[in-house]
Amino acid sequence: KAGVTQTPRYLIKTRGQQVTLSCSPISGHRSVSWYQQTPGQGLQFLFEYFSETQRNKGNFPGRFSGRQFSNSRSEMNVSTLELGDSALYLCASSLKGGGTEAFFGQGTRLTVV
Amino acid sequence: AQSVTQPDIHITVSEGASLELRCNYSYGATPYLFWYVQSPGQGLQLLLKYFSGDTLVQGIKGFEAEFKRSQSSFNLRKPSVHWSDAAEYFCAVGLYHNTDKLIFGTGTRLQVFP
Repeated sequence: KAGVTQTPRYLIKTRGQQVTLSCSPISGHRSVSWYQQTPGQGLQFLFEYFSETQRNKGNFPGRFSGRQFSNSRSEMNVSTLELGDSALYLCASSLKGGGTEAFFGQGTRLTVV
Repeated sequence: AQSVTQPDIHITVSEGASLELRCNYSYGATPYLFWYVQSPGQGLQLLLKYFSGDTLVQGIKGFEAEFKRSQSSFNLRKPSVHWSDAAEYFCAVGLYHNTDKLIFGTGTRLQVFP
């Protein structure tokens, strides 16, 4: 059974650009969450989707957005990139959302220059 | 507010020694509790979880953790550490039954000397 797949693994973008990251959950999983990991702030929750609906959102500016498709795949978008957006972005999937464990992908390393 | 504290930023042990990583949480009810491990440049791998029931839980790679409600703790243990255990370890709290949102601790970096 394939794990959580995140693409691309690495990205380099320029300030002011926008970026889209993709996450394919484990087959059958309906919940996808996104996290930002930086050395200074650690692991911070971005948002969570279940059955194409955003259920929770972390304390990030509106430049960060996401969506989930009918096949449970999810994308997150960051517009008007800032240097501080450089981070490892992790996606996690779980079977039904709540009360089950979350499995993480390898992450996308975003560098903003 | 809910929070997770891992008081040890960095721990160094000799190979074969025992290990205990500390985790304390702040939450009004009994949360779901997790330990994850992360190797450099990689994602998070689930070591073990506690949802309810037996307070001593077994995980992968020979790890175990004990939930102590009175101390709001969920410490991770391993009787004999291997060099391959060197990594960063994160304790996390899941807050509600209908969400997967996790609150993570700041992590403990484990270094293993031969």
